[in-house]
Amino acid sequence: EDQVTQSPEALRLQEGESSSLNCSYTVSGLRGLFWYRQDPGKGPEFLFTLYSAGEEKEKERLKATLTKKESFLHITAPKPEDSATYLCALHGVTGGGNKLTFGTGTQLKVEL
Amino acid sequence: DAGVIQSPRHEVTEMGQEVTLRCKPISGHDYLFWYRQTMMRGLELLIYFNNNVPIDDSGMPEDRFSAKMPNASFSTLKIQPSEPRDSAVYFCASSSHTGGTEAFFGQGTRLTVV
Repeated sequence: EDQVTQSPEALRLQEGESSSLNCSYTVSGLRGLFWYRQDPGKGPEFLFTLYSAGEEKEKERLKATLTKKESFLHITAPKPEDSATYLCALHGVTGGGNKLTFGTGTQLKVEL
Repeated sequence: DAGVIQSPRHEVTEMGQEVTLRCKPISGHDYLFWYRQTMMRGLELLIYFNNNVPIDDSGMPEDRFSAKMPNASFSTLKIQPSEPRDSAVYFCASSSHTGGTEAFFGQGTRLTVV
């Protein structure tokens, strides 16, 4: 069974204080690993898809990386508007079609 | 495109009543998903459709839950009878096998059963 574990559950940073969020996974065959951002009262918003170990993708202050066992979402010099819950999701070969398995998320708070 | 559209945004109902949640996916997307989100369990996939056909409903918690997709632009999730433990945020999402497997989510329906 595909499994996704995110850590930490919550993270509080000062503005400009860089850090990383972790997503550990077990899967029989990886089709894709996804990162989403979710703001309160809204649906998850797609950020990145990573397909193979060693792959990296960047968007503004965010960079996602992937190994065979985990993915990191690096946040460089965060701003208060980066505050949100970040979700990791897995698409494995056992998940037919486009079925995704989500982690429980990391709630990020960036303070001035 | 306006994105995935869900209605209503909020629903408060009494235990035992029937509840129907509605979803309009992004035009051209051939996959549609229904998720439930709670603090305790996070996002859970309830059911998904491909080309209007239910493919996997193993996440539907009980027979009280049912979902339909009569055409490519509309889906419903029905709970009958509703119970307090069904209180959660229900999300609909859609994706395309040709446009990448990332799913695009609606704003969700917050259901409260009292």
